[in-house]
Amino acid sequence: DQQVKQNSPSLSVQEGRISILNCDYTNSMFDYFLWYKKYPAEGPTFLISISSIKDKNEDGRFTVFLNKSAKHLSLHIVPSQPGDSAVYFCAAKSGIIQGAQKLVFGQGTRLTINP
Amino acid sequence: AAGVIQSPRHLIKEKRETATLKCYPIPRHDTVYWYQQGPGQDPQFLISFYEKMQSDKGSIPDRFSAQQFSDYHSELNMSSLELGDSALYFCASSFLAEAFFGQGTRLTVV
Repeated sequence: DQQVKQNSPSLSVQEGRISILNCDYTNSMFDYFLWYKKYPAEGPTFLISISSIKDKNEDGRFTVFLNKSAKHLSLHIVPSQPGDSAVYFCAAKSGIIQGAQKLVFGQGTRLTINP
Repeated sequence: AAGVIQSPRHLIKEKRETATLKCYPIPRHDTVYWYQQGPGQDPQFLISFYEKMQSDKGSIPDRFSAQQFSDYHSELNMSSLELGDSALYFCASSFLAEAFFGQGTRLTVV
């Protein structure tokens, strides 16, 4: 039962354009969502997060949008840079208090930025 | 800034041997998570600890055990290793909502 789904295994974007990575979830108890970037053989690097009380969170070139009614979130990267090429994981959890639930990951989307 | 430290970074073991993976969380983080990532797969949750007590358990085989010590570091013990245990093992620590990952331990079982 895949509770967090990233339906696009890969995405190719031209440098300077916008990259949009999508994520859907099924568990309505999830109330905190995170995006991680991962290079091969390295640990995931935290990028940006959003609480379910918000619908948008922005940090530099990265913006995460949350549509609770559709159980959908997306990560926008503008402008895309070659160093953004990596695998991006969406993750979700229920309860943001300490020691609360585990992070549930999506399958990842491999983003390639073309010069 | 201090990050999550995992050791060793690489480990090669034979079938039926035992392996111990260590995780040192970011200072003042009280929660540790363990994940396993097989080739071409997304990270799968194994187990987590909060304030030295097990807080959640995922798809962790009975051959595996883990604990969090008084200094908050955690160890994942894996016995009777099988070829299918070959994977990247990640540890993450958190204090509030965000979890930060270590570089991982690549375990190869031959």
